[in-house]
Amino acid sequence: GAVVSQHPSRVICKSGTSVKIECRSLDFQATTMFWYRQFPKQSLMLMATSNEGSKATYEQGVEKDKFLINHASLTLSTLTVTSAHPEDSSFYICSARDRGRPADTQYFGPGTRLTVL
Amino acid sequence: AQSVTQLDSQVPVFEEAPVELRCNYSSSVSVYLFWYVQYPNQGLQLLLKYLSGSTLVKGINGFEAEFNKSQTSFHLRKPSVHISDTAEYFCAVTYSSNTGKLIFGQGTTLQVKP
Repeated sequence: GAVVSQHPSRVICKSGTSVKIECRSLDFQATTMFWYRQFPKQSLMLMATSNEGSKATYEQGVEKDKFLINHASLTLSTLTVTSAHPEDSSFYICSARDRGRPADTQYFGPGTRLTVL
Repeated sequence: AQSVTQLDSQVPVFEEAPVELRCNYSSSVSVYLFWYVQYPNQGLQLLLKYLSGSTLVKGINGFEAEFNKSQTSFHLRKPSVHISDTAEYFCAVTYSSNTGKLIFGQGTTLQVKP
């Protein structure tokens, strides 16, 4: 089946530094990737939609200058948390839509746990 | 506003007992419904989905769900649960097949006890 990977799986960083998280579709081309944030014991909140070759579309309330998203190819999207602070600590999950399958088909990555000290 | 409500935050159940996890969504003309399972510190795995056709949908691991348009519900059921079913379950809906944007419910923790 289709596989989506995320790297790193866990990252700990100091406050004020920037962290980049990669999301890759390993065996399919993803025209669209989604980035979600999940706080402990809570649901997934969509942060932004990333389309290959164009600017990401951010959900209301998400700071686009803080959460930089780049979708440079059909298999890679990156989320950069700039000047991270402890309140940015969370579980970040990406998903990808397979270009060759119906639009409802979406595959999720295993997630990245970010801890900002 | 479009929304998904999972009525139970936690559902404790004994092994081999039946279980139902409830999900309601805000009404719309066209809707696609999904159930996902999340094990600790992992991403989401699709259990089943309803796009059209038969209202009873069968998924993986013995789960099934029934789409009820009049009650705007999509409850998840399993006739006999196992310890390994202990996980977080999310109901999700998309109102547009074009965007693929999913709206998730709050999640239900299924706790299967021996």
